[in-house]
Amino acid sequence: GAGVSQTPSNKVTEKGKYVELRCDPISGHTALYWYRQSLGQGPEFLIYFQGTGAADDSGLPNDRFFAVRPEGSVSTLKIQRTERGDSAVYLCASSSDWGGTQYFGPGTRLTVL
Amino acid sequence: AQKVTQAQTEISVVEKEDVTLDCVYETRDTTYYLFWYKQPPSGELVFLIRRNSFDEQNEISGRYSWNFQKSTSSFNFTITASQVVDSAVYFCALTLGSGGSNYKLTFGKGTLLTVNP
Repeated sequence: GAGVSQTPSNKVTEKGKYVELRCDPISGHTALYWYRQSLGQGPEFLIYFQGTGAADDSGLPNDRFFAVRPEGSVSTLKIQRTERGDSAVYLCASSSDWGGTQYFGPGTRLTVL
Repeated sequence: AQKVTQAQTEISVVEKEDVTLDCVYETRDTTYYLFWYKQPPSGELVFLIRRNSFDEQNEISGRYSWNFQKSTSSFNFTITASQVVDSAVYFCALTLGSGGSNYKLTFGKGTLLTVNP
């Protein structure tokens, strides 16, 4: 079956712009996670959805970051007024339920110029 | 808070050598899960293994084996007879098992393994 997909694979934007990153989880997976990976580091947790609701958004760095999952499947990570420090690979993962193994997508590489 | 330490930043071996990647974790919880993921140059994280805190049995899968020791809070990963295709960054990670937001993964910084022909 299809794995987790993320679009776009690469996004280049200018400082101050708004961006949206999309994640399509494995079909039937109820839990969805966003992580951010900076160069040479391990992924860091941003936000977690169980169904449509954000169960934990403690990893979002500030209020410029927001994520939604309106129908309990596809999720969109939204970043307002992008800064150069937002440049990273944004990873999405899904699992069949709380505590299930998380399977990752290929990531979106965001570059803020 | 949880912490995962992978002290080896980079390891370089010659093909067919055995190699062990170290992972030490910290948590005060008694229920937790440990993971290893592989990140090849393509960038996608590939799940390798999940182990719960109540199961200390070592596991072998082909050329891969894992040694979980609660006494030393370690979950080491050994590749036997390494191959060039094993070249990747390997991440050790931990989640708590008591529900809700505890299921977020805490990753180590990763170990870059290079297997030379």
